[in-house]
This record gives sequence, structure tokens and C-alpha cells, in this order.
Amino acid sequence: DADVTQTPRNRITKTGKRIMLECSQTKGHDRMYWYRQDPGLGLQLIYYSFDVKDINKGEISDGYSVSRQAQAKFSLSLESAIPNQTALYFCATSSGLAGYNEQFFGPGTRLTVL
Amino acid sequence: AQSVTQPDIHITVSEGASLELRCNYSYGATPYLFWYVQSPGQGLQLLLKYFSGDTLVQGIKGFEAEFKRSQSSFNLRKPSVHWSDAAEYFCAVGARGQNFVFGPGTRLSVLP
Repeated sequence: DADVTQTPRNRITKTGKRIMLECSQTKGHDRMYWYRQDPGLGLQLIYYSFDVKDINKGEISDGYSVSRQAQAKFSLSLESAIPNQTALYFCATSSGLAGYNEQFFGPGTRLTVL
Repeated sequence: AQSVTQPDIHITVSEGASLELRCNYSYGATPYLFWYVQSPGQGLQLLLKYFSGDTLVQGIKGFEAEFKRSQSSFNLRKPSVHWSDAAEYFCAVGARGQNFVFGPGTRLSVLP
């Protein structure tokens, strides 16, 4: 079983719709992240959370919001989707107990906004 | 601010040939360095990482990377490429208490 799961894996939606992407992990990690991947840009950090009560904006948080429902769950919402939010979205986790922040990634959600 | 560059957007090699993917970083303190691989339709898998110590690190799938502080580089190498190595490769830099910064990626194609 995968340690980091994302649902849905693929989603097509229309401009203006509200969308939620979900991430769950069984690694017991306290830190969770949402990234967006666009061709030629690598991964850009949207939001991150170091524990349930800690939420931080990343490089490109505009147009997105998150919710850390539990240590194991971290959701990303697009309140009103627009076409330039079409991208591949990844959730990742890491352990704050370690001195480093090696991250473990989910399989990704491909989102298309028409 | 941290930054990572991967000068090669796309590299094509023949199966069995050697491979080197370049990664340069800019960071004020001692960085933690990572290489991830993304196969088509998959998430990112960690190939190897450097935190301290021996500057030549071994990873999975026969990959290795060498940290050169003087050149701010962390290049990925493999002596003999297999067709299954075709993927996108990302270099990333992090540090204690800091978030990752990813490079733009290098897409590797392998010719039979």
C-alpha cells in the first residue's frame, strides 16, 4: 500500500467551480506539503503545514487554500478554478524529527480546468 | 534566496552509454541535496541524498552523485543507462528548517 495517497488522480472541471484535492499519509509524518508542477518549471510550493495547527503559504498560494484535518490528512482547495490552474499537483510529507527534510511524494493529481 | 538550476532541459543517450545530469545550486549555508526521478504518470521517487560526509553518494538503481562545494554542483551519474531510466530528473536543495527548492528538471530519453 502506498504511504502517501492522493484523490482524485485525475479531475476535469470548469472555470469557476470549487475543487478539493485530498492527501492522506500513513508514514506518521508531521509535515505535509502541496506542490504544483508545470512543464519546465519544476515543482512550486503552494502551502505547507508543520503540524495540525500550523499552515503556511508557499511561493504560489494565491487562488488556493488548504485544510489540515488531522496529522494524516491535508486537503488543497481551489475556491474558483481558472484555466491557468491546470497542472499536476503533488502532496508530500516529511518528518520534523529528522534533522533534514527528505520528502516523500504522492502519485499526483492531474487537474484540468476548462 | 536558494535556487537550483539544471542546465539541460532534455538529454538523449543510447542504452548502455554513460550519463551525467548537471545540477547547480545557490545557497548561503551548507545545503542538503537531493535527486528525485519522475517516471511517466508517476510521483517523485528519491534517488539519493547528500547531507554531510563523503561527497560521493550512492543511490538506488545504480545512480551516484558527487557534491562539489567549490563548484556549487551536485551532478548525477550512471555508468550504463538502461531503457527504463527514461524519465524526468529533478535536483532539489533544502536545509534544516527550510523548505525544498526544486530545479526545473531534465528529461532523459534513451535510444535503443
